[in-house]
Amino acid sequence: QKEVEQNSGPLSVPEGAIASLNCTYSDRGSQSFFWYRQYSGKSPELIMFIYSNGDKEDGRFTAQLNKASQYVSLLIRDSQPSDSATYLCAVPLFSGGYNKLIFGAGTRLAVHP
Amino acid sequence: DTGVSQNPRHKITKRGQNVTFRCDPISEHNRLYWYRQTLGQGPEFLTYFQNEAQLEKSRLLSDRFSAERPKGSFSTLEIQRTEQGDSAMYLCASSFRDRGRGGYTFGSGTRLTVV
Repeated sequence: QKEVEQNSGPLSVPEGAIASLNCTYSDRGSQSFFWYRQYSGKSPELIMFIYSNGDKEDGRFTAQLNKASQYVSLLIRDSQPSDSATYLCAVPLFSGGYNKLIFGAGTRLAVHP
Repeated sequence: DTGVSQNPRHKITKRGQNVTFRCDPISEHNRLYWYRQTLGQGPEFLTYFQNEAQLEKSRLLSDRFSAERPKGSFSTLEIQRTEQGDSAMYLCASSFRDRGRGGYTFGSGTRLTVV
């Protein structure tokens, strides 16, 4: 089982709709979770992070955590064509006294007008 | 804060040649990471520096790969005797020690093509 798993997509949604992206993780002890956005040919950009103490909303983005089922979601409200990108979920793996981020393969989101 | 800088942006090399990439992290960041990303995959961890010390090297890194971070500032990643399977985007990221809660800031990457 991979440490972080995502549906590769593509997830296609119409402009203005809510896009829901999911990520499952294997380490039940994980305390923080990160979402990166990556446009084609570009490097990942951090857009959201949450801790195990609750959900988080930032503008049109909401990150939700379900610890019992070990998945974290990213909701994008009022989706825009500019949101079309690959969304990477990342979870820190603690080893040797430090954390390193382990990434999922990403979900490709396509927002069509 | 000028961000994480990587050079070159693109590199095309013939199989068997050596290549070296450079990463300049955000100046106050003491942690530096190298990742590799192939098409359709997420970034895969390669190695980690805390200041000048290389604390971990992934099993993905064969003996042909070496990384350095002299004086805890910029870092270089060298690949010797390149193979076609080395073709990928090489990403550098940096962060500040904050008990591991923060995310990384990535550079724009170096895309390597081995022909």
